[in-house]
Amino acid sequence: GNSVTQMEGPVTLSEEAFLTINCTYTATGYPSLFWYVQYPGEGLQLLLKATKADDKGSNKGFEATYRKETTSFHLEKGSVQVSDSAVYFCARTNTGNQFYFGTGTSLTVIP
Amino acid sequence: GAVVSQHPSRVICKSGTSVKIECRSLDFQATTMFWYRQFPKQSLMLMATSNEGSKATYEQGVEKDKFLINHASLTLSTLTVTSAHPEDSSFYICSARVLAGGETQYFGPGTRLLVL
Repeated sequence: GNSVTQMEGPVTLSEEAFLTINCTYTATGYPSLFWYVQYPGEGLQLLLKATKADDKGSNKGFEATYRKETTSFHLEKGSVQVSDSAVYFCARTNTGNQFYFGTGTSLTVIP
Repeated sequence: GAVVSQHPSRVICKSGTSVKIECRSLDFQATTMFWYRQFPKQSLMLMATSNEGSKATYEQGVEKDKFLINHASLTLSTLTVTSAHPEDSSFYICSARVLAGGETQYFGPGTRLLVL
């Protein structure tokens, strides 16, 4: 099947804490993997992506590595800021370039 | 960067009426647009794929007669919720794929529909 599973939230962290949001996928073939972020009141924005195994996507201090052996694409950031508070969605594409999203993980960073 | 707009951003309607939502790519051409539905605290669910000049492809379980999609040009797709009912209340989001741009998609800000 085609699915994306990400850790449930909400997640609350103190500023400068380390963040990990787990994401695993099931797929036939070799999908591309994405993390999207949705800030309050806004639409989804692409945060980072990886298109093949062992690729690392990175942006704004966030990183995720495409692990084919564990079918995972965990999102990490070494030191979160209050401005990182948002909902994060893991997603994958299929052969038709359609997106399938995880359920989203709400992150709140407190000062 | 590429911008996708949606109109209206919020709409309240009476049960039984029809509502049209527009999705526009403002600074690029998009052969393909996608329509998603997002329930509170849930993920985006793909409803249909809209290709310019052809019929939309609907995901399993989505009623094509209920959710009419028209992709009349390379910059505009519309979703019409016909005979809306309270259970159609949701957040509807479109995305547009850049012409010949592969996987890159840009998302609109969404339309909040409330059916009374």
